Parts: sequence; C-alpha cells; structure tokens
Amino acid sequence: NAGVTQTPKFQVLKTGQSMTLQCAQDMNHEYMSWYRQDPGMGLRLIHYSVGAGITDQGEVPNGYNVSRSTTEDFPLRLLSAAPSQTSVYFCASSSNTGAGELFFGEGSRLTVL
Amino acid sequence: GEDVEQSLFLSVREGDSSVINCTYTDSSSTYLYWYKQEPGAGLQLLTYIFSNMDMKQDQRLTVLLNKKDKHLSLRIADTQTGDSAIYFCAESKNSGYALNFGKGTSLLVTP
Repeated sequence: NAGVTQTPKFQVLKTGQSMTLQCAQDMNHEYMSWYRQDPGMGLRLIHYSVGAGITDQGEVPNGYNVSRSTTEDFPLRLLSAAPSQTSVYFCASSSNTGAGELFFGEGSRLTVL
Repeated sequence: GEDVEQSLFLSVREGDSSVINCTYTDSSSTYLYWYKQEPGAGLQLLTYIFSNMDMKQDQRLTVLLNKKDKHLSLRIADTQTGDSAIYFCAESKNSGYALNFGKGTSLLVTP
C-alpha cells in the first residue's frame, strides 16, 4: 500500500532557484495539506486543500504556492527559494469522515544555500 | 493561531510509565490527537479523543482529557525502548484537516 508518497526525499537548492515538491496519495482522500517541520517549532501548516480545485492558506504560506487539479496530487512550489525555507516538508492527507486521521508522507528534506 | 503547548523533553526508565502533557487554548477544539514520530519518518497517529470524552484507553496507552482546564495527557504503561520518539499533541475543530500541532515532546527511554 503506497499511502502518501513524497518526492524528492532530499534536495539542495541555491537561493533564488525554484522547485516543486511532489505529493501523491492513493487513498481517495479529500483533504491534503503541507506542513514544514523546524527544530523547536513543531509542525506548521503551509497550505491545505479540502478537495480538487480548492486550496487555502495555513499558518506560514508566504513563499509557497499550491494547486489541486486532481484528488490524488498536491504539489508544493517554491518560486524563489530562500535559506529560511530550509526545512523538512511533510505532505499529509485525510478523509472527511470520522476523526479524520492524518496520513503523513515520509518527508522531503530541503536545504537552501 | 491558537496555541498547543507541550514540554519538550521527557526521560524515563524502561518498564516505568511515561506521562506526556499538553495544554491547548481553543475551547472549540473538537478532536484532540496524539501522534508519534520516529527518527527520519513522518508522523503516525497513536490515538485521538473526541472532546466530549474524559478518557480513552487503548492497550498500553491512556488518554485523559480535562476540558475545563484544556489539558490533555498521554500515559504509556510499561514504557519500552521502542517507545523512544517525538510525541505530538494536536487539536482540530474540523475532523482531519488543518490540525494545529504542539512543538512535540522527545521521549527517551533508557534501559
């Protein structure tokens, strides 16, 4: 069972470069979200989506764009990377029923030089 | 956003009980969760409690909720070295998405 798949697992960028972190889930979940994890800061919500075609900002959206053209995919775009975006990024998905357990990907470690 | 606070570090001996505490400020939280993160991995749901419950038990795990004080705790009985991980408390008003996480408690279990 694939669950939530994130690529790449590791990436090094130079300041000003752009890139896209990919996230795909095969559980037909309506909800998808992106978090970043930094030492001493816990997990902070970047963007989330409650369904295809619908996205919204979380706590720390600046510098990131998202889109949700299909139920399965929720890519996170960095248009002009900055050192402050060095972090571990987690994609998560959940269904819209019950307590809504979040299923997390394994994370993408991004370093911006 | 609303705050979720946890102590950052806890060390216990193998076989003892561990108690990890969490406080939250949003009185409209509907669901409260405990997630576990092992090194180099994503978070996995351990257990959750609905806001109209006081206690939930699941094998070695006991969750206590004091809604009046907005205090949540996770007790792990007979703690094992494999329980060493970071434990995150989280709350949500709407099931499943846009969870608000605490900073995590690093649990170290020593032999």
